Amino acid sequence: GAVVSQHPSWVICKSGTSVKIECRSLDFQATTMFWYRQFPKQSLMLMATSNEGSKATYEQGVEKDKFLINHASLTLSTLTVTSAHPEDSSFYICSVTAGTVWTSGGPLHEQFFGPGTRLTVL
Amino acid sequence: GEDVEQSLFLSVREGDSSVINCTYTDSSSTYLYWYKQEPGAGLQLLTYIFSNMDMKQDQRLTVLLNKKDKHLSLRIADTQTGDSAIYFCAEKEVTGGGNKLTFGTGTQLKVEL
Repeated sequence: GAVVSQHPSWVICKSGTSVKIECRSLDFQATTMFWYRQFPKQSLMLMATSNEGSKATYEQGVEKDKFLINHASLTLSTLTVTSAHPEDSSFYICSVTAGTVWTSGGPLHEQFFGPGTRLTVL
Repeated sequence: GEDVEQSLFLSVREGDSSVINCTYTDSSSTYLYWYKQEPGAGLQLLTYIFSNMDMKQDQRLTVLLNKKDKHLSLRIADTQTGDSAIYFCAEKEVTGGGNKLTFGTGTQLKVEL
């Protein structure tokens, strides 16, 4: 499967600062990347879908001005948490789709996940 | 949005079988997935099943799908301590288009010696 990396793996910052998280697809070109947020002992919540060369599509309730997404190349998407506050502390995970894999059951769009970034805002 | 529910916690002894259950609401789902998440790590795709299948077996993993009841289960045979993790079921959203996945609440599996 595809190899996805995230940097940094963890970050601690002061309230009011901005934090940039990188998601890289290491061995293929990803036209679509997804950003998720996971609170402790909870499921992943999709924040936005990032398409290379175009604006990201945000899920309902996610502030696009606070969570800036830039998908400037086929191998890199960045999520910037602007003016971070303690309630933004979470585990942020990106995923990429490796295109369509045709199976006997039909098209399968598999997502490959990065290892996640733990953000703690003090 | 669609709801995907799972029990929160399961404890089994090493060598026993584990069965993790999931219920979903989107009857138009085409694919249903099982992911494994180890502490502090991202998600690893374990297996998937297409909606026109009832069962899929992959080594120690058996997936059962009851489409009528919208119930999905993952059975892990001969559970090992390395299987301790959080398991998420997920459905591929069809009604909204694209490749969006809706994840369940996750089941933490603890394997005891």
